[in-house]
Amino acid sequence: DSGVTQTPKHLITATGQRVTLRCSPRSGDLSVYWYQQSLDQGLQFLIQYYNGEERAKGNILERFSAQQFPDLHSELNLSSLELGDSALYFCASSQRQENTGELFFGEGSRLTVL
Amino acid sequence: GQNIDQPTEMTATEGAIVQINCTYQTSGFNGLFWYQQHAGEAPTFLSYNVLDGLEEKGRFSSFLSRSKGYSYLLLKELQMKDSASYLCAVRDLTFGKGTMLLVSP
Repeated sequence: DSGVTQTPKHLITATGQRVTLRCSPRSGDLSVYWYQQSLDQGLQFLIQYYNGEERAKGNILERFSAQQFPDLHSELNLSSLELGDSALYFCASSQRQENTGELFFGEGSRLTVL
Repeated sequence: GQNIDQPTEMTATEGAIVQINCTYQTSGFNGLFWYQQHAGEAPTFLSYNVLDGLEEKGRFSSFLSRSKGYSYLLLKELQMKDSASYLCAVRDLTFGKGTMLLVSP
């Protein structure tokens, strides 16, 4: 158990819909990272937050948005869903703003868009 | 930008030694990470190299050459449970697509 909690574990929805994925980082960790993993693309970095502020942005679509709240939990919002958005979405956390050590990954949220 | 290359698949026999290579090109460097990921599970941290040389941790070792943009993960005394994908990552943001290792009896 990494200490990072993600909900829901599984989600099935239809194209055009909107979903919210939630992540609670390990106690004491200030950085939260979101990754998307699909079979053909591997693990793709989406976005990082540090202590409530956006720290770095990767290949995140405009239809996707995220935020980190004062209690440090984070949410990833995916809207106007397309079939290609079906993937495993991981959240990871670490203590520092710059990663110089281990990232702790949650179990992931598996999104299926039908 | 950053680019990471790893072999897609490797096979090895239980008890053997296997070396998984990773080459990278990055505009900035603050370390190279190796993660293990079993199918359908979360990646778990294996090692972190920031200086050149070999870091040993039990059956797993990781090597880094910054001048060559090259790293490898060495797995000794392979066990069936080592069958997994091994991900090379530069900084925390960019991961390689992973090397799927299959260990056979």
